Amino acid sequence: QKEVEQDPGPLSVPEGAIVSLNCTYSNSAFQYFMWYRQYSRKGPELLMYTYSSGNKEDGRFTAQVDKSSKYISLFIRDSQPSDSATYLCAMRYNNDMRFGAGTRLTVKP
Amino acid sequence: NAGVTQTPKFQVLKTGQSMTLQCAQDMNHNSMYWYRQDPGMGLRLIYYSASEGTTDKGEVPNGYNVSRLNKREFSLRLESAAPSQTSVYFCASSETGYTEAFFGQGTRLTVV
Repeated sequence: QKEVEQDPGPLSVPEGAIVSLNCTYSNSAFQYFMWYRQYSRKGPELLMYTYSSGNKEDGRFTAQVDKSSKYISLFIRDSQPSDSATYLCAMRYNNDMRFGAGTRLTVKP
Repeated sequence: NAGVTQTPKFQVLKTGQSMTLQCAQDMNHNSMYWYRQDPGMGLRLIYYSASEGTTDKGEVPNGYNVSRLNKREFSLRLESAAPSQTSVYFCASSETGYTEAFFGQGTRLTVV
């Protein structure tokens, strides 16, 4: 079993839809959680960073963490074609930072 | 403000050749990382450096060496390249081991 499991997708939604991306993890030592967006042939770009259970909102993006269930989510509201990318969840304990395999999202106009 | 800069962007090596991937950050971060990204496997940690003068192995260190030259620079060396090391390599940095990490644009390496 991988330490971080991420729904692989691919996911295709119409413009304006609400998107839900999810990851589970097995190591309870992970305390800090991140979501990255990666466009094709580019480096990962940080979207959200959180370290506590609950919700954190930034514009159209909401990150949700449930440490008791070892489950994190990223919600994208009013999705746009420019949101089409691969989304990576990441979690860390000290300098050990692990990633999910990524979910490819396509938002169709 | 360039962030994390990697060189080169592309490289083709023959099996057995050696090369060094360079990484520099201008954010005064203490921690730096090297990852490789392969299809379907996500990003896997090769080595990291928690501070200048220290380095530690990650998930997949075999076949690689690293040097933390100073606070800004962290290099990754392949001593004898193998086709299994064909991958995209990313360098990242963070202020500490508990803060968000920022990535460079990657080095696409092919070993033939």
